Amino acid sequence: EVHLVESGGGLVKPGGSLRLSCAGSGFTFSSYIMHWVRQAPGKGLEWVSSISSSSTSIYYADSLKGRFTISRDNANSSLCLQMNSLRAEDTAVYFCARLAAAPGLNYWGQGTLVTVSS
Amino acid sequence: DIQMTQSPSTLSASVGDRVTITCRASQSIIRWLAWYQQKPGKAPKLLIYKASSLESGVPSRFSGSGSGTEFTLTISSLQPDDFATYYCQQYNSYVYTFGQGTKLEMK
Repeated sequence: EVHLVESGGGLVKPGGSLRLSCAGSGFTFSSYIMHWVRQAPGKGLEWVSSISSSSTSIYYADSLKGRFTISRDNANSSLCLQMNSLRAEDTAVYFCARLAAAPGLNYWGQGTLVTVSS
Repeated sequence: DIQMTQSPSTLSASVGDRVTITCRASQSIIRWLAWYQQKPGKAPKLLIYKASSLESGVPSRFSGSGSGTEFTLTISSLQPDDFATYYCQQYNSYVYTFGQGTKLEMK
């Protein structure tokens, strides 16, 4: 069974940094493009970033303006999101996801909450 | 980035109703569109991919249609479990985007 488990969320001050991790299991992690999606409290879904299976292609939402960095470690089936210069508007639940648009291949983690507040 | 606009933002309906949610893209996304259902405190669940293909295990009362810039999600006969928030998402470009969501509430 496929599992995606995020960790690393918490409370951070404005301007601070945080590193989120996502552990994948139950599938061949190295074969899939992986994504981060976030959801501010009471708001909609916002796609954040994606990374190709071999890390050769990386994309970010324009709104992040270079503050976030996605990476992966296929040997350990893990995905990371390094978040710098955090702002109050980055407060959200961050989901790790395998957004494969094909039958039975779309999976999401349970999310990890990041709160940016002084 | 491609902008996705859903309407309505909120929809009030009753069990047994037929409901339709619309999603418009700021440029053609061909048929590279997915629909998700999300319930409070849960991760989204894929319902439809490639505009009209039903995800495994999703009831047949859900259907999707459209191409280019205009798409619809239809629920033919609302069931109590269907009251949730629905999102469209384009994957035509490498930078994915979601619609702002449609909250389906009980009338």
